[in-house]
Amino acid sequence: KAGVTQTPRYLIKTRGQQVTLSCSPISGHRSVSWYQQTPGQGLQFLFEYFSETQRNKGNFPGRFSGRQFSNSRSEMNVSTLELGDSALYLCASSLGQGVDKNIQYFGAGTRLSVL
Amino acid sequence: GIQVEQSPPDLILQEGANSTLRCNFSDSVNNLQWFHQNPWGQLINLFYIPSGTKQNGRLSATTVATERYSLLYISSSQTTDSGVYFCAVENNYGQNFVFGPGTRLSVLP
Repeated sequence: KAGVTQTPRYLIKTRGQQVTLSCSPISGHRSVSWYQQTPGQGLQFLFEYFSETQRNKGNFPGRFSGRQFSNSRSEMNVSTLELGDSALYLCASSLGQGVDKNIQYFGAGTRLSVL
Repeated sequence: GIQVEQSPPDLILQEGANSTLRCNFSDSVNNLQWFHQNPWGQLINLFYIPSGTKQNGRLSATTVATERYSLLYISSSQTTDSGVYFCAVENNYGQNFVFGPGTRLSVLP
């Protein structure tokens, strides 16, 4: 079974631009969560989607948004990029319901650099 | 929200040594996972262990839910064990997964 796939792996943008990151979950998983990792703040939860609905949200500004499609693939978007948005963005998938519903499996991440 | 602490923050070992990493959390949890982050940034699942004890090769983990801590044991460490180990928890209210600050392990040849 294929793991969680994130694209692209690396991205360089300039301040003020916007960016879209993609995550394909493990087959059969209906929940996708996004995390931001920075040296100063560690790993922080952004949001979780389940069956195309945002089920949980962290403390990030509205510039950070996401969505989930009917095939459970998810995208996150960051608008009006700031230097502080430079980070490793990690996506995790889980079943989202039933036994072991909360066990999270992570992708390799997208490393975003904002210049 | 739930707080997660990990200790020690840094650990340096000689190859072959054993180690114990600790995770303390401030509330009841229904999910606790240990991860190893490799040098390329990927988080590798080690254990899903909201309670009890599990073993996988040279690694084992114990969670004492009533006392709100979990331990990760690494025996006969190898240089490939180097990296950052994270504990992450989800509380009983289904709130978001919270990560600890991590323990950076360096295993020297």
